[in-house]
Amino acid sequence: DGGITQSPKYLFRKEGQNVTLSCEQNLNHDAMYWYRQDPGQGLRLIYYSQIVNDFQKGDIAEGYSVSREKKESFPLTVTSAQKNPTAFYLCASSSPGQNYGYTFGSGTRLTVV
Amino acid sequence: GENVEQHPSTLSVQEGDSAVIKCTYSDSASNYFPWYKQELGKGPQLIIDIRSNVGEKKDQRIAVTLNKTAKHFSLHITETQPEDSAVYFCAASTMLGQFYFGTGTSLTVIP
Repeated sequence: DGGITQSPKYLFRKEGQNVTLSCEQNLNHDAMYWYRQDPGQGLRLIYYSQIVNDFQKGDIAEGYSVSREKKESFPLTVTSAQKNPTAFYLCASSSPGQNYGYTFGSGTRLTVV
Repeated sequence: GENVEQHPSTLSVQEGDSAVIKCTYSDSASNYFPWYKQELGKGPQLIIDIRSNVGEKKDQRIAVTLNKTAKHFSLHITETQPEDSAVYFCAASTMLGQFYFGTGTSLTVIP
């Protein structure tokens, strides 16, 4: 089945460490997105990429980095510069101009310990 | 840019009653309006969507209405069941643009 896979489901990070969240899709979607979700704040856009080797900052990009070397993959690195990284992270993909809709992964819950 | 507002933030209904969630948007260029359901610890799932050339769309117990003039759209769930309990998000986008999400509505259906 086609879909979008995020891993790991749970991730624990020590203060000062960088961690990378994985997002892989086999839907042949051109665009991929990373959102952060905090209680009561909805979905906030971190980074997005509409094509391989290109990406743009979203509303809350500080302390995060991404790469898009392959169409299928869009990993997110949470760096030590992100002061409050504990959150639920969602990856999504879409193919603009086709059925329009976003497909979301099942999320990664990151906790700083 | 686009601004999407969603109300209410929480909603409790008795099983069998109807639930209505409302969203407004600001960008008249937006032409696609999806609704997502998110269960605890999971990613959002698309449940229904509507495009700007349509005023209403229905899928079994779920319906969405769109008023382009007033720039608002609503989700209607009839005959609610406990499994409808979740967080619901609305969104607005243009055909080639990113999605702008509402802040979510936590729906609780009381058995």
